Amino acid sequence: TQLLEQSPQFLSIQEGENLTVYCNSSSVFSSLQWYRQEPGEGPVLLVTVVTGGEVKKLKRLTFQFGDARKDSSLHITAAQPGDTGLYLCAGPFGSSNTGKLIFGQGTTLQVKP
Amino acid sequence: NAGVTQTPKFQVLKTGQSMTLQCAQDMNHNSMYWYRQDPGMGLRLIYYSASEGTTDKGEVPNGYNVSRLNKREFSLRLESAAPSQTSVYFCASSAAPTYYGYTFGSGTRLTVV
Repeated sequence: TQLLEQSPQFLSIQEGENLTVYCNSSSVFSSLQWYRQEPGEGPVLLVTVVTGGEVKKLKRLTFQFGDARKDSSLHITAAQPGDTGLYLCAGPFGSSNTGKLIFGQGTTLQVKP
Repeated sequence: NAGVTQTPKFQVLKTGQSMTLQCAQDMNHNSMYWYRQDPGMGLRLIYYSASEGTTDKGEVPNGYNVSRLNKREFSLRLESAAPSQTSVYFCASSAAPTYYGYTFGSGTRLTVV
């Protein structure tokens, strides 16, 4: 059974600090995705990483896919209150043509002004 | 705005009552999904429809049924609601392959008393 484990589960920091969220598995994934979810809304896709070792940047957010494609990280530089939310990693499982995703349990980030 | 529309947004049911959650997408996506979200457990797949005319069970299908009415619409039915089905339900759609990620609706918060 493929599982994705995120750490930490909760993170409360001051505005301007840096942070890293981790998404780990014992299984190899063909790709991993990161979503952000705000209260009362559905998750919104931030990025997809496909190649082992790949690094993608989205403004102050840096996403990395592990060389062995078993893990990923999300690093936020100089966090702002607008970064507050639930961050979820997800990866495909089962037959590739079904599009099914398995999700980590999420990391709740609170950035205090 | 293009996207995934879910109705209703909130619902309270008594144990044993039935209801149908509605979902429609206007992005011409082939695949649609129903997930439930519970605290600390991330998103868990209930049912999915890889393409119009097909449906299949996900990780937690017991107590639910689905109908893929046409390419746009995918409904989730609770035949006899139980308190364990108290959750937030999300519908999502995707274009194949999974690389492009999901577009989620804004969710239905269901309470069974």
